Amino acid sequence: EAQVTQNPRYLITVTGKKLTVTCSQNMNHEYMSWYRQDPGLGLRQIYYSMNVEVTDKGDVPEGYKVSRKEKRNFPLILESPSPNQTSLYFCASSPRTALHGYTFGSGTRLTVV
Amino acid sequence: GIQVEQSPPDLILQEGANSTLRCNFSDSVNNLQWFHQNPWGQLINLFYIPSGTKQNGRLSATTVATERYSLLYISSSQTTDSGVYFCAVLGKLIFGQGTELSVKP
Repeated sequence: EAQVTQNPRYLITVTGKKLTVTCSQNMNHEYMSWYRQDPGLGLRQIYYSMNVEVTDKGDVPEGYKVSRKEKRNFPLILESPSPNQTSLYFCASSPRTALHGYTFGSGTRLTVV
Repeated sequence: GIQVEQSPPDLILQEGANSTLRCNFSDSVNNLQWFHQNPWGQLINLFYIPSGTKQNGRLSATTVATERYSLLYISSSQTTDSGVYFCAVLGKLIFGQGTELSVKP
């Protein structure tokens, strides 16, 4: 089944403890991106990647890192999480560029205390 | 930048009713997608519809790019249709604020 897999689905962590949210797609998509969703603010792009080893900042990149060493994986790294990073996170992929249909992962609900 | 507006913001339906959700965008776009966010938070792709009309079961969508709008039709609504419906303009993926649909049994 074609899908984007995110893990974990739920995570509660403490301020400053490094964490990684994994994202993997099995559709050979070139474009991948991360979003966070917050009440009243909608979905905002954190980082995106056009292909392997090509990443760029979205609208809200501060406090996050990404890497794209393989085509299928696009992990989101929070080096030192803070409470304002409590949010619902989504990974998404698209076949070629950002102009083709997106497939979203199931989301990761992160709470930083 | 492109503005995406959805209407209505909220909608309550009785099971079996039909509805039309609207998405207006402020500039010419090449690609648009409709999503359903279910009560568990998952974003489900409904339609990738840059223009024309598509149908999938009880749902259909029409995009008139020259007039800068798209419509999502839900027929014979079911309680499982509840959630938030988003349209998004592709490129940077600019989402509208969503229509929150509640279908009552």
